[in-house]
Amino acid sequence: EAGVAQSPRYKIIEKRQSVAFWCNPISGHATLYWYQQILGQGPKLLIQFQNNGVVDDSQLPKDRFSAERLKGVDSTLKIQPAKLEDSAVYLCASIGTSAWRGELFFGEGSRLTVL
Amino acid sequence: AQSVTQLGSHVSVSEGALVLLRCNYSSSVPPYLFWYVQYPNQGLQLLLKYTSAATLVKGINGFEAEFKKSETSFHLTKPSAHMSDAAEYFCAVSGVGNQFYFGTGTSLTVIP
Repeated sequence: EAGVAQSPRYKIIEKRQSVAFWCNPISGHATLYWYQQILGQGPKLLIQFQNNGVVDDSQLPKDRFSAERLKGVDSTLKIQPAKLEDSAVYLCASIGTSAWRGELFFGEGSRLTVL
Repeated sequence: AQSVTQLGSHVSVSEGALVLLRCNYSSSVPPYLFWYVQYPNQGLQLLLKYTSAATLVKGINGFEAEFKKSETSFHLTKPSAHMSDAAEYFCAVSGVGNQFYFGTGTSLTVIP
């Protein structure tokens, strides 16, 4: 079974530029999450999707961050314009519909450096 | 509401010594609790999970954790540390709607 795929693994941009990250969850997993992990901290939820609908985006900075999951499969997280404090690892995770309170499966993350 | 608190952001142990990483939880419903491990430049992977079936949970790589409701704790232990155990460890609790809340993490260093 293929795991959660993320790209790119690394990205360096200057502040005020834009960036997009892509995630493809495990096949059949209806719930997809984007987390932000700043160095030395635990993952912080940005947005949770159930199929192509948003379950929770209360901590997503909507003035600069956006995310979509149009067909209920893969997802894109965009930052525009980027700030220095957006430097972090962006983790995508998924969970299956039958796995109520099951485990999250994580991708390897996309590391963003904003200069 | 659910949350977890990890005591000690850095723990150092000698190779072969006991590993003890602390986690306390807060939950308004019976909690499902998890320990994840993160190696450098990798995502998080599951070590073990508590889902109310048994209070002592065994995971991968010789780790185990005990759920203690009276102490609202879910501490992670391993009898004998190995160099390969050096990593970041995260405690997490899941709530209604499969919402997961993570602790701030504990960095484990194993001294040869």
